[in-house]
Amino acid sequence: GQNIDQPTEMTATEGAIVQINCTYQTSGFNGLFWYQQHAGEAPTFLSYNVLDGLEEKGRFSSFLSRSKGYSYLLLKELQMKDSASYLCAVRDPGYGQNFVFGPGTRLSVLP
Amino acid sequence: DTEVTQTPKHLVMGMTNKKSLKCEQHMGHRAMYWYKQKAKKPPELMFVYSYEKLSINESVPSRFSPECPNSSLLNLHLHALQPEDSALYLCASSEGETVFNQPQHFGDGTRLSIL
Repeated sequence: GQNIDQPTEMTATEGAIVQINCTYQTSGFNGLFWYQQHAGEAPTFLSYNVLDGLEEKGRFSSFLSRSKGYSYLLLKELQMKDSASYLCAVRDPGYGQNFVFGPGTRLSVLP
Repeated sequence: DTEVTQTPKHLVMGMTNKKSLKCEQHMGHRAMYWYKQKAKKPPELMFVYSYEKLSINESVPSRFSPECPNSSLLNLHLHALQPEDSALYLCASSEGETVFNQPQHFGDGTRLSIL
């Protein structure tokens, strides 16, 4: 079976740092993707991890531990425009190499 | 602007109507997807086409019928829908089953309302 978990909602203050966690149990693993989705819009790709460790892209970083089935997305210097849903998705070879999405975390950034 | 184009952006239809959603990509991707997304929920996979062949059909009701005329186009034909089918329908594409490190690219979606 496949199960991906994320916190439902988070709130943070402008300028702060926030960490959004994702835990997964899938039949296989060919990488974990993070997407950002603003309300009513399409998801947009943020980051990809397939090996353990930290990937950094500007204000956004993503970490992966395959042995723990765990990833996080770190957002620094939060801006109001970062208020959105953040989805983690695992590419699962046991699911035809398709993407299994987590429930998403709704982040609200307050002034 | 997204590289996956969906039309129409909004659609209102009655339960007896027949309509089609369209999706187009010109990135040379060989896998295309239809997702249904309800408010505050993640996208739910409906159909996957890989190299123009239907590879996954997630037990979707027959009132939804996908079609892939060629590698750039994906349609979703709708007939006799129910009010609970009202949702955002997202199309996505990716390079293919053997290219693991490339993400899906999503279109802006069609907001569907069933009266």
